[in-house]
Amino acid sequence: NAGVTQTPKFRILKIGQSMTLQCAQDMNHNYMYWYRQDPGMGLKLIYYSVGAGITDKGEVPNGYNVSRSTTEDFPLRLELAAPSQTSVYFCASTLMTGYNYGYTFGSGTRLTVV
Amino acid sequence: SQKIEQNSEALNIQEGKTATLTCNYTNYSPAYLQWYRQDPGRGPVFLLLIRENEKEKRKERLKVTFDTTLKQSLFHITASQPADSATYLCALLNAGNMLTFGGGTRLMVKP
Repeated sequence: NAGVTQTPKFRILKIGQSMTLQCAQDMNHNYMYWYRQDPGMGLKLIYYSVGAGITDKGEVPNGYNVSRSTTEDFPLRLELAAPSQTSVYFCASTLMTGYNYGYTFGSGTRLTVV
Repeated sequence: SQKIEQNSEALNIQEGKTATLTCNYTNYSPAYLQWYRQDPGRGPVFLLLIRENEKEKRKERLKVTFDTTLKQSLFHITASQPADSATYLCALLNAGNMLTFGGGTRLMVKP
């Protein structure tokens, strides 16, 4: 199994540009998440989804949008990129919250906005 | 406000010793607590989950304790090895079923 696949691995954007960070999982997980991680900081939740067609805001959603048209895919859209969005972005998924299920994370997308 | 605190200073220990990492939280009543390992340039990897009614959980050389009175979890690695060097994150599952992460503690095991 591939697990959680994120593309691209690296990207440099100019201020005001837009882009979509791709995330796909092949484990048939219902729950999917987008986190950002700034240097020396913990992960902060941007958006999450509990199933196809259902998304909701996390702790830091401003400047981002998501969609979940299929169980497998959960893209994150950045509109009008700003330097404050320079970060490492991680997508994660889990079958069910709590119980014995941890999250499976992708390898991340390192984004620099200049 | 809700807080999850992990020691931001790196923990340096000698190979073979037991490493103990601390996770303290405030204004949470978590049903579960999880520990993850993160290597540089990689995503976190799930290690262990412990429930509020469990005092201790073990997996190979790893041991986690969870004290809901002290609002603290301890993460132990026994017989530590240089390959255990990484950043370790604790995370709480809150009432909204969202996983919130601490800032992580970097562990360095010296041969």
